[in-house]
Amino acid sequence: NAGVMQNPRHLVRRRGQEARLRCSPMKGHSHVYWYRQLPEEGLKFMVYLQKENIIDESGMPKERFSAEFPKEGPSILRIQQVVRGDSAAYFCASSAGSYNSPLHFGNGTRLTVT
Amino acid sequence: AQKITQTQPGMFVQEKEAVTLDCTYDTSDPSYGLFWYKQPSSGEMIFLIYQGSYDQQNATEGRYSLNFQKARKSANLVISASQLGDSAMYFCAMREGNTDKLIFGTGTRLQVFP
Repeated sequence: NAGVMQNPRHLVRRRGQEARLRCSPMKGHSHVYWYRQLPEEGLKFMVYLQKENIIDESGMPKERFSAEFPKEGPSILRIQQVVRGDSAAYFCASSAGSYNSPLHFGNGTRLTVT
Repeated sequence: AQKITQTQPGMFVQEKEAVTLDCTYDTSDPSYGLFWYKQPSSGEMIFLIYQGSYDQQNATEGRYSLNFQKARKSANLVISASQLGDSAMYFCAMREGNTDKLIFGTGTRLQVFP
């Protein structure tokens, strides 16, 4: 069952370190989305990518956050110089792209900044 | 303005009873899709049901049905014959035809008791 694969499942970083979160979309999906979820809150859109292109990054913080989806390999969400406020669950999702296609989510990466 | 509103932070239902989770939305785009997701305590996001703005009939998937009232801009989720395993957070989401991202509501926590 080749669903959306995210790793690591849990990630602990000290303040100032870098966090790299990986996401492999479902087979056949070329659209990838990253969402952030704070405890007891809904999912907030961060960025939407297609292969080698950032389509919509309106939800990304202006500094320290970046995302890529290279031609080969998984999509990467990178957070540089992490701060305590970055602690959250980060979800990746993929879809076939049409507006009636559901997003299929991975199990998320829970980032804890100490 | 909120695009997706879920006014019930928490709901209780007895096992085997039906429950309705409310969702209202706001859009001026005639083409849009409405989605419901379930998030159990384990954290994954599970797609439940989809309703398109042009669909003539209410969507159904097993015990899940969507009470779609377009004029009122509501898309309530109905769960019939509740089971203990239905206890989870439920999120309503919308995708407008001119964008590709899903916008989520704040969720409703459903608890099913014996």
